[in-house]
Amino acid sequence: EAQLAASGGGLAQPGGSLRLSCAASGFSFSSYSMGWVRQAPGKGLEWISYISGSSTTIFYADSVKGRFTISRDNAENSLYLQMNSLRAEDTAVYYCAREYMEVGGVQFDYWGQGTLVTVSS
Amino acid sequence: EIVMTQSPATLSVSPGERATLSCRASQSVNSNLAWYQQRPGQAPRFIIYGVSTRATGIPARFSGTGSGTEFTLTISGLQSEDFAVYYCQQYNNWPLTFGGGTKVEIK
Repeated sequence: EAQLAASGGGLAQPGGSLRLSCAASGFSFSSYSMGWVRQAPGKGLEWISYISGSSTTIFYADSVKGRFTISRDNAENSLYLQMNSLRAEDTAVYYCAREYMEVGGVQFDYWGQGTLVTVSS
Repeated sequence: EIVMTQSPATLSVSPGERATLSCRASQSVNSNLAWYQQRPGQAPRFIIYGVSTRATGIPARFSGTGSGTEFTLTISGLQSEDFAVYYCQQYNNWPLTFGGGTKVEIK
């Protein structure tokens, strides 16, 4: 069965950087598009980024565009999110998720357990 | 950006009863609508896509209907593990957007 394990969260200062990782196992990682979705404390879900299997297609939410960079290493079965210029409003649990590829459009069928990012001085 | 609005914010239902959750899109998303369940402290779980198709392993008591801008998730015969927060998500347009969630709590 597919498994995703996110890591790299922690405390960062405003204006600082963090790099999140997501280790994938149990499926052919390179065949799947992936995404990051975050959830601020006590709030709902917010999609923030998407990357296709070959990294040729990348999208960002406006809230993170220009500050966050999504990437992947298919040889290492890993997904990444480089977060720069962090703001207090970036405080959230960050989930990596796998795209459900059986139909068109982007929905997420497997989710990692999430990693908490706290931005505070 | 397509805004997804869910109602009610909280739904109090007795075990064994039916829960009806609503999701409205600010413009048509055709049939590109998914639902997720999130239990406390857990990651979201994929339960429905294409408005009405249950994901693998999802029991038949979960059903989805609707089209265009109005959608409904119905949970029949609520069981203890169904008390959770439910989110709708549109995937018709970028950016992907989620509704604010409906919490189904025990009455």
